[in-house]
Amino acid sequence: DAGVTQSPTHLIKTRGQHVTLRCSPISGHKSVSWYQQVLGQGPQFIFQYYEKEERGRGNFPDRFSARQFPNYSSELNVNALLLGDSALYLCASSPITSGRGYEQYFGPGTRLTVT
Amino acid sequence: AQTVTQSQPEMSVQEAETVTLSCTYDTSESDYYLFWYKQPPSRQMILVIRQEAYKQQNATENRFSVNFQKAAKSFSLKISDSQLGDAAMYFCAYRTSEVGGADGLTFGKGTHLIIQP
Repeated sequence: DAGVTQSPTHLIKTRGQHVTLRCSPISGHKSVSWYQQVLGQGPQFIFQYYEKEERGRGNFPDRFSARQFPNYSSELNVNALLLGDSALYLCASSPITSGRGYEQYFGPGTRLTVT
Repeated sequence: AQTVTQSQPEMSVQEAETVTLSCTYDTSESDYYLFWYKQPPSRQMILVIRQEAYKQQNATENRFSVNFQKAAKSFSLKISDSQLGDAAMYFCAYRTSEVGGADGLTFGKGTHLIIQP
């Protein structure tokens, strides 16, 4: 089975622009989470979606938004890009949300560079 | 809010020897999950080992084991018989067990593990 896939792999944008990142979860997984990993740091939680509803949100500004589609794939949108948004954006999927100890499976990430 | 601290930015070990990576966390919850993830250079994050806070027994996965000290809020990772393929960034992570709550992982800053041949 295919793992979590993300597109694009790399992206270069200019300050003030908008960007859309995409994620396809493992088949059968209904929960998708997004993380931002700045160089040299651990990932920071941005959003979690389950069954197309937002289930959790980290401490990120309203410029960040996301959605989940009926096929459980997800998009992360970032408006009015800042230099500080340059990071590796990770998507993770899991079969369920909350409750007992399920594993999150990570994708390879999208490397976003804002110039 | 929960926090995870990894106090060792970098560790180095000889191949075939044992190394221990440290992690402490802060939480007011009594039930939660702790994880160690491995992120090789330019490769995907993968789960190494998981510990459920309500279980007193330390988790073990082949050469990887943890020392979970709940009262001290400590969760260290021991890698035995280190191999060149173990070289990577290692992240300690926390997740609440609260049903219906925000479910993201809280990560530490990571420890860069170097394996010397």
